[in-house]
Amino acid sequence: AQKITQTQPGMFVQEKEAVTLDCTYDTSDQSYGLFWYKQPSSGEMIFLIYQGSYDEQNATEGRYSLNFQKARKSANLVISASQLGDSAMYFCAMFGENTDKLIFGTGTRLQVFP
Amino acid sequence: DAGVIQSPRHEVTEMGQEVTLRCKPISGHNSLFWYRQTMMRGLELLIYFNNNVPIDDSGMPEDRFSAKMPNASFSTLKIQPSEPRDSAVYFCASSWTAGGEKLFFGSGTQLSVL
Repeated sequence: AQKITQTQPGMFVQEKEAVTLDCTYDTSDQSYGLFWYKQPSSGEMIFLIYQGSYDEQNATEGRYSLNFQKARKSANLVISASQLGDSAMYFCAMFGENTDKLIFGTGTRLQVFP
Repeated sequence: DAGVIQSPRHEVTEMGQEVTLRCKPISGHNSLFWYRQTMMRGLELLIYFNNNVPIDDSGMPEDRFSAKMPNASFSTLKIQPSEPRDSAVYFCASSWTAGGEKLFFGSGTQLSVL
């Protein structure tokens, strides 16, 4: 069975600092994709970044990067130079070749303070 | 592109009433997903469609829940009769692929059943 685990229910970071949000996964699929979504207080789900299981390079999108460690089955999100607007819930998600659906972790609430 | 459009944005109803949530996916997307988000359970996949055909409805909690996709540009999620425990945010999402990669989410419907 596929599983996504986010062990940090809440994180605090000071503005302009970097922060890492943890995500581990479990799958028996050889090919899979890992995603991070942001959900601000307004409620919408915003796609941030994607990493394919066969991608050799860690994915980056602006201030977001995904620290992909395949052997450890982890896909941590790194946000550099945090901004107040980064305060939100962050969800890690996975799609596997045999799953046909995107499953989500329980989320981490990030609070950025001045 | 207008994105995934959901209506209504908020719904307040009394227990026992029928509730219908609506979704218009992004034009050209062939997969549509209904998720429910609660504090207790996080994001749960209820059902998804591929090319208007329901593929997996194992997440639908009870027979009170039903979903249809009569054409490529419209889907409904119906709860009849509604109960207070159905209160949640219901998200519709669409994607280009059957596997649900890179889902694009609607703004959600906040349902409150009194």
